[in-house]
Formats: sequence, structure tokens, C-alpha cells
Amino acid sequence: GAVVSQHPSWVICKSGTSVKIECRSLDFQATTMFWYRQFPKQSLMLMATSNEGSKATYEQGVEKDKFLINHASLTLSTLTVTSAHPEDSSFYICSARAGELEAFFGQGTRLTVV
Amino acid sequence: GQNIDQPTEMTATEGAIVQINCTYQTSGFNGLFWYQQHAGEAPTFLSYNVLDGLEEKGRFSSFLSRSKGYSYLLLKELQMKDSASYLCAPQDSNYQLIWGAGTKLIIKP
Repeated sequence: GAVVSQHPSWVICKSGTSVKIECRSLDFQATTMFWYRQFPKQSLMLMATSNEGSKATYEQGVEKDKFLINHASLTLSTLTVTSAHPEDSSFYICSARAGELEAFFGQGTRLTVV
Repeated sequence: GQNIDQPTEMTATEGAIVQINCTYQTSGFNGLFWYQQHAGEAPTFLSYNVLDGLEEKGRFSSFLSRSKGYSYLLLKELQMKDSASYLCAPQDSNYQLIWGAGTKLIIKP
């Protein structure tokens, strides 16, 4: 299957700082990228959908000024968690798809805010 | 509204067969995906059904009935490494995946 690389795999940051997570599709052009958050023992929660070259569409309840998403190219999307707080600690997962084909997931990023 | 219903947890024995059921209600339908997710890891793609019937892929098979809003994932010759959560994700009319909480499968020796 296609490869989606997410970086970093885990990060610990201080409260109030910002963290950037990268998601790259390595062997296909991702027309759409998705960002999810998953708390322990809970389902994936879609945060936002981004299409290359356009603004991301955020799900209800997700603050777009706090979770900045940039999808500057067909192979790269970034999620920046700004002014992180301990309640932002979670597992963040990106996925990428070309058209309406299956979505491939990155490895996930475990964010811990202390 | 959109809704996914899967059992929360199932237990099966190594070497046996297990069927994980999923019923769904979506606004439109453009196929259904099954993903496997090991604890602490991202989901990995298992199967995709868009037409009614059974799709077989090695030890895993997936079935779809669009009229009933029903799918199942069948796992044969269970191995300990199959212990994971299994996520049923139908795709709505906007090609958006709808996620449930998944089924945690526990394999016992």
C-alpha cells in the first residue's frame, strides 16, 4: 500500500509553546489530507480536512486558530498546535488519500504537554 | 444522523474464526472500509467494499449488504497478533469516512 510518513512520532512540550506535526505522502499525490485526534480508548475524531492549495475545513468544536493546518503541496500537510495546554495531550493522526480511494494513515504523533 | 454500531469488545481463541459485525446509517453511501488498529498505533487499511457481497483477502474477508446497512469482517485462523481494534468506516455522499469506536478483539491462547 501507499506510504504516509508522519513526524515526529512523539513530542513533549511545555505548556504555552507551539508544536508542528508534518504529514507526507511519499509515493502518491494526496489531493486530500485529514487530521484526527484520538484520546485513549476512544474513536478517531476528525479535526479537519484539507485539500491542496485551499483552506482547511474544520469540524465543529475544533478551534482553527489553535490548530493551524497548512496543505501547501500535494505531498505535505502540517498541523501546528499553538499555545499548547495539557488538555491538548493526545494522539494525533494524519491520513492522506488520492481522490476517493482508501485513506492511508501516518504513524501518528503522541503529544504530551507538560 | 450518521451512526455506526459495532460490538465494543470480543474475545476469541487462537486458531478459531471470528466475525465482527457493523451496522451503519449514513447520509448517502460510497463504500465501506475496515481498518485494524493496534494499541498506540495508527489504523491500517484492511478492506474496502462498495458492492454487495463478500471480498476475500487471505485470512480476512469482508461482507457488505447495502440494503441492510450491514457489514462484517471475518477473521480466520486467528493469531495472537490479530489482537487489535477493528474499525468499520462507511463513506458518506461527500466521501467522508464516518468512524465508530471500533471493536476491541482479544485473542486467547
